[in-house]
Amino acid sequence: ETGVTQSPTHLIKTRGQQVTLRCSSQSGHNTVSWYQQALGQGPQFIFQYYREEENGRGNFPPRFSGLQFPNYSSELNVNALELDDSALYLCASSFMGGGTVEKLFFGSGTQLSVL
Amino acid sequence: SQQGEEDPQALSIQEGENATMNCSYKTSINNLQWYRQNSGRGLVHLILIRSNEREKHSGRLRVTLDTSKKSSSLLITASRAADTASYFCATRQGAQKLVFGQGTRLTINP
Repeated sequence: ETGVTQSPTHLIKTRGQQVTLRCSSQSGHNTVSWYQQALGQGPQFIFQYYREEENGRGNFPPRFSGLQFPNYSSELNVNALELDDSALYLCASSFMGGGTVEKLFFGSGTQLSVL
Repeated sequence: SQQGEEDPQALSIQEGENATMNCSYKTSINNLQWYRQNSGRGLVHLILIRSNEREKHSGRLRVTLDTSKKSSSLLITASRAADTASYFCATRQGAQKLVFGQGTRLTINP
């Protein structure tokens, strides 16, 4: 167990809806990253939050947004859902020291299905 | 974009045999990491090898790194049914972004 928890574990939405996914980081970690993993693919970096600010973003549109709270928990929000957003969404926490993050500690993910 | 590419995409072996997976990457790295993912679950960090290291061991795992060929290999010795999972290599692009390959799906047959 990594100590990173995600909720919900499964979610079904329809196209055009909005969704919020939640993550609780491992104690002592100050950084959270979100990844999208399509079936049969490797995880794709969405963005990273450090000290409540986004400090890195992958190739995802603005309708993917996030928040990090003072207790280092985090949310991923996706607006105007599309069918291709169906995927496993993974949260990973880590400790940033010296400006870089090394290994990540992942939660079990939220499986999102968009119909 | 995916920095690391694993080979083979799928591997099936008998319990007790050794399993070798390979990873190739495109740009210079400071370190390379290997992760494991059980079906539909989160990833678990296995091992990190730095660019100035050529080989690293952790239990039944052995990782090699050849920076001249931009490649790494993960060897699992004396495989067990519980080793059945997908294995990913990952390299860092910039200070924040960890880039994963598509993974190798390993099946250990009893």
